[in-house]
Amino acid sequence: DADVTQTPRNRITKTGKRIMLECSQTKGHDRMYWYRQDPGLGLRLIYYSFDVKDINKGEISDGYSVSRQAQAKFSLSLESAIPNQTALYFCATRQGLNQPQHFGDGTRLSIL
Amino acid sequence: GQNIDQPTEMTATEGAIVQINCTYQTSGFNGLFWYQQHAGEAPTFLSYNVLDGLEEKGRFSSFLSRSKGYSYLLLKELQMKDSASYLCAVGTYKYIFGTGTRLKVLA
Repeated sequence: DADVTQTPRNRITKTGKRIMLECSQTKGHDRMYWYRQDPGLGLRLIYYSFDVKDINKGEISDGYSVSRQAQAKFSLSLESAIPNQTALYFCATRQGLNQPQHFGDGTRLSIL
Repeated sequence: GQNIDQPTEMTATEGAIVQINCTYQTSGFNGLFWYQQHAGEAPTFLSYNVLDGLEEKGRFSSFLSRSKGYSYLLLKELQMKDSASYLCAVGTYKYIFGTGTRLKVLA
């Protein structure tokens, strides 16, 4: 089983819909991150959390919100989806400052 | 501000050696990571440098110069499976990623 699991893996939806992407981990890491990846733009940080009571905005948080329901779960929501939010979304976890991030398999989101 | 520069694309031949450079400017620095990402897949960790110098891991080595804001990833004995994007990331409690270098390995 994957250590970092993202659901759904693929989603096609319409403009204006509310969407939730979920991430769960079995690694026991406190730090969790949400990124989006667009061709030519690399990975950009949306939100990150260091524990259940700690939520921080990243570079591109506008139009997104997150919820850290438990140490193992970190969800990303698009309140009213728009086409330029079409991207590949990754969740990642990390144990500490000098440790690498562990990524989920990604969610490919298309907004029509 | 924070900025990371990597070449967009490189091509090399199977069995050869290739060096992928990364230059960065950052307000905070705790270390530099290199990740490999095959098309449509998740990034996977390759190497980490926190001190100046060379870190070697099998066919992969990574070098860091903190004073110059410069790192490179060296891939030896290239194989077809090394065709992928290579991402450089720097920061502290949160990391900034470069746009990645797409490496094509030709037979």
